[in-house]
Amino acid sequence: QTAVTQEPSLTVSPGGTVTLTCASSTGAVTSGSYPNWFQQKPGQPPTTLIYSTSNKHPWTPARFSGSLLGGKAALTLSGVQPEDEAEYFCLLYYGERHLWVFGGGTKLTVL
Amino acid sequence: EVQLVESGGDLVQPGGSLRLSCAASGFTFSSYWMHWVRQAPGKGLEWVGNIKQDGIETHYGDSVTGRFTISRDHATSSLYLQMNSLRVEDTAVYYCARGTNDAPGIDSWGQGTLVAVSS
Repeated sequence: QTAVTQEPSLTVSPGGTVTLTCASSTGAVTSGSYPNWFQQKPGQPPTTLIYSTSNKHPWTPARFSGSLLGGKAALTLSGVQPEDEAEYFCLLYYGERHLWVFGGGTKLTVL
Repeated sequence: EVQLVESGGDLVQPGGSLRLSCAASGFTFSSYWMHWVRQAPGKGLEWVGNIKQDGIETHYGDSVTGRFTISRDHATSSLYLQMNSLRVEDTAVYYCARGTNDAPGIDSWGQGTLVAVSS
């Protein structure tokens, strides 16, 4: 069973920088995994932040960036705002099986 | 403005069937991959499956393969999820989502519809 792993929780101070990661049980995450990142606040549907590793949507705040880091996909928030407190999910593509798999999510606390 | 509106969620008994719909507007529906994603109460997101623009190629997550079927109707810009042999663990909010146009991924989400499977 393919599994995607994220940090269960992270805490960051307002104005600080934090990096969330997304690892695959099958090996290194590459650009061919087309990592996507989503933000979800309680009681709301997810919103999409990043697609295909590092591409932003028009509505994605500039402080969010995506990359590959040490064999994982990464989402970095620079200059964290209180409204960034949310759960963040990554999504990876497994092309051989035409399958998408979400990570378990990272609950980010801004404190 | 992209709009995705799901409907059809209900309370159903284990072993039963249900069909969810998603009405799409604000974009050329026939030009995009479409996905279904679900979220069990208090849990994370789970990819259910997707369907290509041609309405023929479909793919499913391991937990629903053989029980769920995705289809689409370009005439009405509608996406469907037929769910058979429902289990208690299928209880979730089901989201309709649009695929990204220029690279694999998801860019827009509906508000979701709740499916509860219980006796």
